[in-house]
Amino acid sequence: GAVVSQHPSWVICKSGTSVKIECRSLDFQATTMFWYRQFPKQSLMLMATSNEGSKATYEQGVEKDKFLINHASLTLSTLTVTSAHPEDSSFYICSAGAREAGTDTQYFGPGTRLTVL
Amino acid sequence: GENVEQHPSTLSVQEGDSAVIKCTYSDSASNYFPWYKQELGKRPQLIIDIRSNVGEKKDQRIAVTLNKTAKHFSLHITETQPEDSAVYFCAASENDSWGKFQFGAGTQVVVTP
Repeated sequence: GAVVSQHPSWVICKSGTSVKIECRSLDFQATTMFWYRQFPKQSLMLMATSNEGSKATYEQGVEKDKFLINHASLTLSTLTVTSAHPEDSSFYICSAGAREAGTDTQYFGPGTRLTVL
Repeated sequence: GENVEQHPSTLSVQEGDSAVIKCTYSDSASNYFPWYKQELGKRPQLIIDIRSNVGEKKDQRIAVTLNKTAKHFSLHITETQPEDSAVYFCAASENDSWGKFQFGAGTQVVVTP
């Protein structure tokens, strides 16, 4: 139980295009999901907290107009990187609170490696 | 806000020896402390967690201790095996898992046969 999936697992795009990443809780409902980015050999940096049915809460320094988050259902949150640039290349990971699944912790998706050319 | 420091950044141990990773946190309101293991290119996997009302928790070869007064917690791995090689992250959170996680910088553990 408490499985989180992400799609796609990797994506390469041209500078200026937009990329959508999906995060799904497969066997439980997640009221709250979190989006992180991780640079090579570095820690996970929280970008935003995604709340089902309401606006996402962004961390300081994260551009909300560039990283659009939508949490339209209890099992799906999406992150759209708009007008991507090479500096947006990173490993993006989502996590979901699994309290509804009967456990008190967050479970992580497998991550999406974004490369912007 | 919360600030979590993690040491050491790298740790090399001989197979069979113990490994200890230490973290300190700044916010006394933090009450949930998970540890994650991340292999290269893969997702972080929860290996153990502890809440502020408990001082120690053990799961087979892995244990975590928490000192609320000093605001530090540690991960202990005994009888290390090559498959323990990975990056380990500590984290601290308010409101259990529903609060934001502040992660430590990570510790690269290498277990040599």
